[in-house]
Amino acid sequence: GAGVSQTPSNKVTEKGKYVELRCDPISGHTALYWYRQSLGQGPEFLIYFQGTGAADDSGLPNDRFFAVRPEGSVSTLKIQRTERGDSAVYLCASSSGLAGGQQYFGPGTRLTVL
Amino acid sequence: AQKVTQAQTEISVVEKEDVTLDCVYETRDTTYYLFWYKQPPSGELVFLIRRNSFDEQNEISGRYSWNFQKSTSSFNFTITASQVVDSAVYFCALSEAIEYGNKLVFGAGTILRVKS
Repeated sequence: GAGVSQTPSNKVTEKGKYVELRCDPISGHTALYWYRQSLGQGPEFLIYFQGTGAADDSGLPNDRFFAVRPEGSVSTLKIQRTERGDSAVYLCASSSGLAGGQQYFGPGTRLTVL
Repeated sequence: AQKVTQAQTEISVVEKEDVTLDCVYETRDTTYYLFWYKQPPSGELVFLIRRNSFDEQNEISGRYSWNFQKSTSSFNFTITASQVVDSAVYFCALSEAIEYGNKLVFGAGTILRVKS
């Protein structure tokens, strides 16, 4: 079956612009996660959705970052007034939502802020 | 707070050598899960294994084996007879056991280079 998909695969933007990153999880997965991976580091948690609601957004770095999942499937990560420090690979994962459940990761979106 | 430490930044071996990747974790939870993921040059994270904190049995899967020791808070990963295709970044990760979902806390990763 289809895995987790993310679009776009690459996004180049200028400092100060607004960007949206999309994640399409595995069908039927109730849990959806966003992580950010900077060069040479492990992924860092940003936000987790259970269904339509954000169950844990403790990893969002500041109020320029926001994510939605209005119908409990596709999610969009939104970044306002982008800064050069936002450059990273943004990873999305989905799971069945059970404790300890395996997370299936998408290929990521590489964001470059010039 | 949860923390995962992978002290080995990079390891280089020659094909057919055995190699062990170290992982040390910190958590105050008594119930938790440990994971290993592989990130090949293509970039996509590939799940390798999951262990819960109550199961300390070592596991073997083909050339891969894992040694979980709660006494030393370690969850080490060994590749036997390494191959060039094993070259990748390997991440160890930890999650607490909550009712729904589980955010992962990752280590910084270990770059494994296997030379032919």
